[in-house]
Amino acid sequence: GDSVTQMEGPVTLSEEAFLTINCTYTATGYPSLFWYVQYPGEGLQLLLKATKADDKGSNKGFEATYRKETTSFHLEKGSVQVSDSAVYFCALSEWYGNKLVFGAGTILRVKS
Amino acid sequence: EAQVTQNPRYLITVTGKKLTVTCSQNMNHEYMSWYRQDPGLGLRQIYYSMNVEVTDKGDVPEGYKVSRKEKRNFPLILESPSPNQTSLYFCASSLSGTGGETDTQYFGPGTRLTVL
Repeated sequence: GDSVTQMEGPVTLSEEAFLTINCTYTATGYPSLFWYVQYPGEGLQLLLKATKADDKGSNKGFEATYRKETTSFHLEKGSVQVSDSAVYFCALSEWYGNKLVFGAGTILRVKS
Repeated sequence: EAQVTQNPRYLITVTGKKLTVTCSQNMNHEYMSWYRQDPGLGLRQIYYSMNVEVTDKGDVPEGYKVSRKEKRNFPLILESPSPNQTSLYFCASSLSGTGGETDTQYFGPGTRLTVL
């Protein structure tokens, strides 16, 4: 079945450092891809998404590009802030039923 | 304000005592879903509903029941909870269940359940 693999954490960075969180997927069709963020004690919020190959999703300085040839959707941010500390989930959506298949999540800790 | 609400937010119970976690959305969404979140496993779908009176199993349905009698509500029922159902539960909804550009899922704040 479909699956998502993302880099293990925790990832610890200093403020203003460059962030990359790797995400690769396995799918039989052409899924939509998502990054969700979970701040401490809160539910999941959609950070960005891409619905077809070569699309770039972006929001709040975060970016990810849907790479069909490498089955990847890596999350990047040029300069992280302490407020970006959270758990980041990569996910894909099957074409019917809208089920989200999630990766295990990556904890990001940003130090001032 | 558009939102998905869940109650209770925290619950400690004992093995075998039936419980219900409520979920409600005010966005007139057709699609609703329940997930559980466990460390190292991410979120896994328990059940989903494409519309009123239409429900189906997700990846981990054992030990759970759901119902969809009204469009806005999608309660999760544990008839005989066991310790392996200790987890963080999330309800989610979206406009429809067909995926695509506009069919984003919105999540509730979560319910932390502990079964002793």
